[in-house]
Amino acid sequence: KAGVTQTPRYLIKTRGQQVTLSCSPISGHRSVSWYQQTPGQGLQFLFEYFSETQRNKGNFPGRFSGRQFSNSRSEMNVSTLELGDSALYLCASRDENSPLHFGNGTRLTVT
Amino acid sequence: EDQVTQSPEALRLQEGESSSLNCSYTVSGLRGLFWYRQDPGKGPEFLFTLYSAGEEKEKERLKATLTKKESFLHITAPKPEDSATYLCAVWYGKIIFGKGTRLHILP
Repeated sequence: KAGVTQTPRYLIKTRGQQVTLSCSPISGHRSVSWYQQTPGQGLQFLFEYFSETQRNKGNFPGRFSGRQFSNSRSEMNVSTLELGDSALYLCASRDENSPLHFGNGTRLTVT
Repeated sequence: EDQVTQSPEALRLQEGESSSLNCSYTVSGLRGLFWYRQDPGKGPEFLFTLYSAGEEKEKERLKATLTKKESFLHITAPKPEDSATYLCAVWYGKIIFGKGTRLHILP
């Protein structure tokens, strides 16, 4: 089985712009979660989608949003980018009652 | 507040020197605890799931244990290739992570 695929691998954006990140889960996995990873804060939970519905949400501002499509692929959008949004964004998929399986992330740099 | 704390933040060991990493948690309704390994530039790689106090899992030089308030990852006779960041995560509806332990094994 192919693993979790995230695109693009690297992005450089300017403050105030918006960005969309993409995630293709492992085939058959209906749950997709997004995490932000920074050196100071570690892995912080953004949100989880299951069958196109947001099931759980972390403590991030409304500038961070996501969605899931009927084929379980997911996108994450960040609007009005700030310097502090520079991070590695990780997507993970799972089957019910199984652990998360991660992609290799999208490295976002905001200048 | 629900939280996961890992210690130490960083650990340097000589090859062959055994040690333990700690993960303590304060969440209600724990459904499971996961251990992951993360190498630089990569996403976390799954190691173990523990579901209940007293449970133990082993894989090569690693053994994970779970009590009601904490988990330990024991590393026996580590090799340089065991150098990585080790993350624990608790599942209680959401899945939240600790900040990790950066492990460096010196040859």
